[in-house]
Amino acid sequence: DVKVTQSSRYLVKRTGEKVFLECVQDMDHENMFWYRQDPGLGLRLIYFSYDVKMKEKGDIPEGYSVSREKKERFSLILESASTNQTSMYLCASSRRTGGNQPQHFGDGTRLSIL
Amino acid sequence: QKEVEQNSGPLSVPEGAIASLNCTYSDRGSQSFFWYRQYSGKSPELIMFIYSNGDKEDGRFTAQLNKASQYVSLLIRDSQPSDSATYLCAGPTGYSTLTFGKGTMLLVSP
Repeated sequence: DVKVTQSSRYLVKRTGEKVFLECVQDMDHENMFWYRQDPGLGLRLIYFSYDVKMKEKGDIPEGYSVSREKKERFSLILESASTNQTSMYLCASSRRTGGNQPQHFGDGTRLSIL
Repeated sequence: QKEVEQNSGPLSVPEGAIASLNCTYSDRGSQSFFWYRQYSGKSPELIMFIYSNGDKEDGRFTAQLNKASQYVSLLIRDSQPSDSATYLCAGPTGYSTLTFGKGTMLLVSP
């Protein structure tokens, strides 16, 4: 089974802090994704990566950056946290070959910015 | 913008009934669709995927893809209270990316 592990289930930070969310997958997947999920807005893609050191902006990249130094690890960085970044953050991974492949999600990080 | 639309529900069915969840999509070229189940406070869990026109069955679940009408459906037979969750439909936006519908809440009453 695919295992996607997010470093924290719950996190509380203060406005202006730099926040790091970590994600690790154990299936040698090429693709990794970061989403946020808010009531009424659904899942929105922040960034994704299809290879080490490669990244692509999703629908809502503003205020975020990412890092992928190793194939299994994908980090989301909130450069200067703001209250409107309070949300559930979900990491996912998928294979790249063979067209669209299913994405497998981690347990999520519920982030509160005070 | 490729879109996937779902009725937010809730869809209420009695235990043992068939639940029918539907999804429409805007891109005629889309080839593959995915159904996820999400319990409250949890992350989405993949339950079905379908890559071709027609039906695909897996246990109590059947996914149906109708490319001509641009809709995807998920049927759950013999619904159980444990099936109560939000069901997300997802379709492709690019080679690797998916767009998700906002989900349909299913409530199965004992």
